[in-house]
Amino acid sequence: NAGVTQTPKFRVLKTGQSMTLLCAQDMNHEYMYWYRQDPGMGLRLIHYSVGEGTTAKGEVPDGYNVSRLKKQNFLLGLESAAPSQTSVYFCASRRDSRVPRGEQYFGPGTRLTVT
Amino acid sequence: QKEVEQDPGPLSVPEGAIVSLNCTYSNSAFQYFMWYRQYSRKGPELLMYTYSSGNKEDGRFTAQVDKSSKYISLFIRDSQPSDSATYLCAMSHYTGANSKLTFGKGITLSVRP
Repeated sequence: NAGVTQTPKFRVLKTGQSMTLLCAQDMNHEYMYWYRQDPGMGLRLIHYSVGEGTTAKGEVPDGYNVSRLKKQNFLLGLESAAPSQTSVYFCASRRDSRVPRGEQYFGPGTRLTVT
Repeated sequence: QKEVEQDPGPLSVPEGAIVSLNCTYSNSAFQYFMWYRQYSRKGPELLMYTYSSGNKEDGRFTAQVDKSSKYISLFIRDSQPSDSATYLCAMSHYTGANSKLTFGKGITLSVRP
């Protein structure tokens, strides 16, 4: 199993450009999450999904959109990138609420720079 | 006051030292406590998990939760250079569909050979 994979690994965008980050998991997990990690800020939740076709806002959703058309994929979109969105983006998945541990499995991250 | 506070570090220790990493939290509803380890340029991975108060040991690692003091700790015995990483504490109220993890900012540990 590959676990959680993210595409691309690195990207440089100009202000105002758009892009989509792709997260894929092969563990048949129900729940998926997008975080951003910034120095001194820790991990902050952007959006999450509790099942195919569902999405919900996290702590810092502004400027981002998400879609979960297939159970195994969770897409994060930036419609008009801003320098404040320069960050490392992590996707994570969790099996479901029946697993009491609440363990989230993380992908390797996407390093995004907006100039 | 942030919900979860973690010493920012960084922390540097010699090989073989005992390391103590700590987090405090303000929300008494937290019941599930985790420590994630993150190597440089990698995603976090779950290291230890504890429900409610008490201790849990796994090899050289011990996780401790004191809910009365709202304080959690991770102890690393006989630290190794391979333990050099960023350690993040995380906690949640429950494990239902909409439960979310609240993370500390992480502390970077360096173990010197």
